[in-house]
Amino acid sequence: DTAVSQTPKYLVTQMGNDKSIKCEQNLGHDTMYWYKQDSKKFLKIMFSYNNKELIINETVPNRFSPKSPDKAHLNLHINSLELGDSAVYFCASSQDQFSWGYTFGSGTRLTVV
Amino acid sequence: KQEVTQIPAALSVPEGENLVLNCSFTDSAIYNLQWFRQDPGKGLTSLLLIQSSQREQTSGRLNASLDKSSGRSTLYIAASQPGDSATYLCAVRPRANSKLTFGKGITLSVRP
Repeated sequence: DTAVSQTPKYLVTQMGNDKSIKCEQNLGHDTMYWYKQDSKKFLKIMFSYNNKELIINETVPNRFSPKSPDKAHLNLHINSLELGDSAVYFCASSQDQFSWGYTFGSGTRLTVV
Repeated sequence: KQEVTQIPAALSVPEGENLVLNCSFTDSAIYNLQWFRQDPGKGLTSLLLIQSSQREQTSGRLNASLDKSSGRSTLYIAASQPGDSATYLCAVRPRANSKLTFGKGITLSVRP
């Protein structure tokens, strides 16, 4: 049983397209996150939701829109994809926003051509 | 603004060697510091967490230390094994409910 699962694992798409990445956790955690790991390997938080409420919203283009239909799901929709969006996107969850025990998904490698 | 640095970016050692991975951070006012492991094509796995009031934490062959005043943490791996080959990232959290700031990681290769 995968604790934090992301789909798809790989995504290749053309500039200008709109795409979504889905994330689900079956751990009963309250808090979920989206991280971006760029080509230089820096891992940076993008968004965090606690019980479906947005609690962290870093400075990312508004082409990125997270959606949390329930606390077990946090999806990431990206409009008008650009070359610079190419990266690995990781979903993660933790018991709550104060918890240190993060569980990460295996990542979605997005390539924009 | 907190910055986390991990040098060197890559390290190769023979099996059995004891090794130290370094992490430095610019702002000593931290809530806690974590070490993670990332395997190729996989997500991150939490290894150890050190609260700001602690000096070290141990888990099996791993020992992490924290010196807040100098802005440094080390991850000590005893008797390294090929299975330890991975990228090790440290991350600091300024306050209880704030985001983690990650270093770039150190890619470790343990040669059989």
